[in-house]
Amino acid sequence: QSALTQPASVSGSPGQSITISCTGTSSDVGSYNLVSWYQQHPGKAPKLMIYEVSKRPSGVSNRFSGSKSGNTASLTISGLQAEDEADYYCCSYAGSSTLVVFGGGTKLTVL
Amino acid sequence: QVQLVQSGAEVKKPGASVKVSCKASGYTFTSYYMHWVRQAPGQGLEWMGIINPSGGSTSYAQKFQGRVTMTRDTSTSTVYMELSSLRSEDTAVYYCAREFFICSSTSCPPEFDPWGQGTLVTVSS
Repeated sequence: QSALTQPASVSGSPGQSITISCTGTSSDVGSYNLVSWYQQHPGKAPKLMIYEVSKRPSGVSNRFSGSKSGNTASLTISGLQAEDEADYYCCSYAGSSTLVVFGGGTKLTVL
Repeated sequence: QVQLVQSGAEVKKPGASVKVSCKASGYTFTSYYMHWVRQAPGQGLEWMGIINPSGGSTSYAQKFQGRVTMTRDTSTSTVYMELSSLRSEDTAVYYCAREFFICSSTSCPPEFDPWGQGTLVTVSS
């Protein structure tokens, strides 16, 4: 069982928006603005899409955005495109003892 | 460009050890901490630990304490991850991943970019 809870799957049609939630606790997501999100296509290494809750690395489309409220972080993808179909993982800093926790991953299907 | 190139696939018997390498290029090797993350077949990502390539200090996930050792060779800009007492559940793709920003301790924010291509380790009798 993963430390952070994500829905197993979400889906949307091209052009629509979807949101993936990532629920942790007051020891990780709730205490630090250090949530990151990764996109992983089959057979490929993960790619950093969002860091520090809502910041986008250079080169990542502005269709990807992140937010946080309490113990839950969210990734929103607007204007869904076929190439967005992938697995998405959230990750959070969890203090100096545990350090890093991942979510279980969410499979995004573009219908 | 910044690149991490990992060693090739390994097949090991239960009880054995495996050592995976990750060679960095395109940046100052000693300036950025390196993480190891693994992914079992069809499963999610699991953080294993972090190493400071400059001083060699490490922090490991509790689950792997006593079984994992992360080291580095600054002369070749390479980090290593050795996992011992292998069991079937250790069958996974192992990734090295660099910290996105320069940080000053093993309590780095978990922001991994870039990643290596992954190394499949299969544990089977």
